[in-house]
This record gives sequence, C-alpha cells and structure tokens, in this order.
Amino acid sequence: AQSVTQLGSHVSVSEGALVLLRCNYSSSVPPYLFWYVQYPNQGLQLLLKYTTGATLVKGINGFEAEFKKSETSFHLTKPSAHMSDAAEYFCARPSTNYGGSQGNLIFGKGTKLSVKP
Amino acid sequence: DAGVIQSPRHEVTEMGQEVTLRCKPISGHDYLFWYRQTMMRGLELLIYFNNNVPIDDSGMPEDRFSAKMPNASFSTLKIQPSEPRDSAVYFCASSFGQMWDMNTEAFFGQGTRLTVV
Repeated sequence: AQSVTQLGSHVSVSEGALVLLRCNYSSSVPPYLFWYVQYPNQGLQLLLKYTTGATLVKGINGFEAEFKKSETSFHLTKPSAHMSDAAEYFCARPSTNYGGSQGNLIFGKGTKLSVKP
Repeated sequence: DAGVIQSPRHEVTEMGQEVTLRCKPISGHDYLFWYRQTMMRGLELLIYFNNNVPIDDSGMPEDRFSAKMPNASFSTLKIQPSEPRDSAVYFCASSFGQMWDMNTEAFFGQGTRLTVV
C-alpha cells in the first residue's frame, strides 16, 4: 500500500540548533508530498508542498524540505530552531487508490518536536 | 473567510448516547473530509465528500458512524450509540480540488475533542 513513514515519534533539539524531521514514502511513482504542522490544541496547517519541478521546497516559518527520488525521502529541515516551533509535524501524500479514494491525504504517524531553551 | 469551522470544540458524553459533530467548510470548496486522530492510530480518514456526495466511506469504523452533507456549507458526523473507544479528536477539512491537483491544499478545522465515559 502507498504510505509515508516518519522516523522518530519524538525529536528534541536545543533552541538555535538544526531541525531535521524524516519522512520516507513508498511509491513506484513519485507522489506529491506535504508537510503539515499541528500546534497544541489546533488543527493542521500546511507548511509546504512538493509537486513537480524544483526539489527543494521552501515553506512557512523558515522550514524547507528536499525531495530525493533516489532515497524516496522528503525530509523537513530548519537551520535554527525556535521555541515556537514546538509542535507535531506530519508528512502526507495523496491516496493513489484510483478505484476509490484519490482525493484525500494519507498521513504519517507524526513527529513531535520539542525545543529546549 | 473564517476557515473551516467545527463545533463543538469539546464534547463529553456518556456511553450509549448519540453524538453529533458539525462542520462548516470554507466557502467554495468542493471537497470535505472527516479525519479522526488518536494516539494509537494517528490521523485516519473516515469519509470524504465531493460536491456533497460521499465518495469513500471505507474508513468509517462501523455502522454506529454516519456522515451527511446536506449542502455545500454544512456536514455532520454522527455516532450512535457512542462508546469509550470512540474518544478521539475529530477533524474536518476542506479543499478546492483533490489532493492530486497541483495547487490544492486541505484546510483543517480546529477539531472536536470527544470523550466518551
């Protein structure tokens, strides 16, 4: 089944340190890929989206992600973490079940990011 | 636009009672999704609609769950009778176009936290 896998359910970094959140996808055809962020007690908000073209995608709040077909990866990075980045991050892709669901998103399990002062 | 609006934000009910969750999508959006979020299973798609028509309800857990979209601006998710294992955060999301469309993103409401005791 088509899916996305997020390595690490919890990541902790110090303020100012590099943030790296990992996402790998399984697909014979490179899909569109999304990163969403969920702040405590909030809904999900789109950070960035890869469709086609440039493999380095810049998003909001200083985040970016690089699509690497050879590694089937779409890792999310930010050079310098801020306390306000503490949240849960979800990698997602559209469903490819062409017989049924193709309009919806399939989400990874999420990675909770903690930022230490 | 005020975004996707869900009500109530919190619901506590006794086992066996009927629960109705409500969603108002963003005006003009033609897709509406209901997701459920739990610690164990993450974000799961329950059902989604296109132009008010249910497209895929394969994620609905069982017959106790039902969803309707009587018009483009309103949808409900009903659980009857409710059980403690239904306790979760339920999200509604909407989009203009499906996730394989290049310029589409899903916008999420803030969720309804359901507790069944």
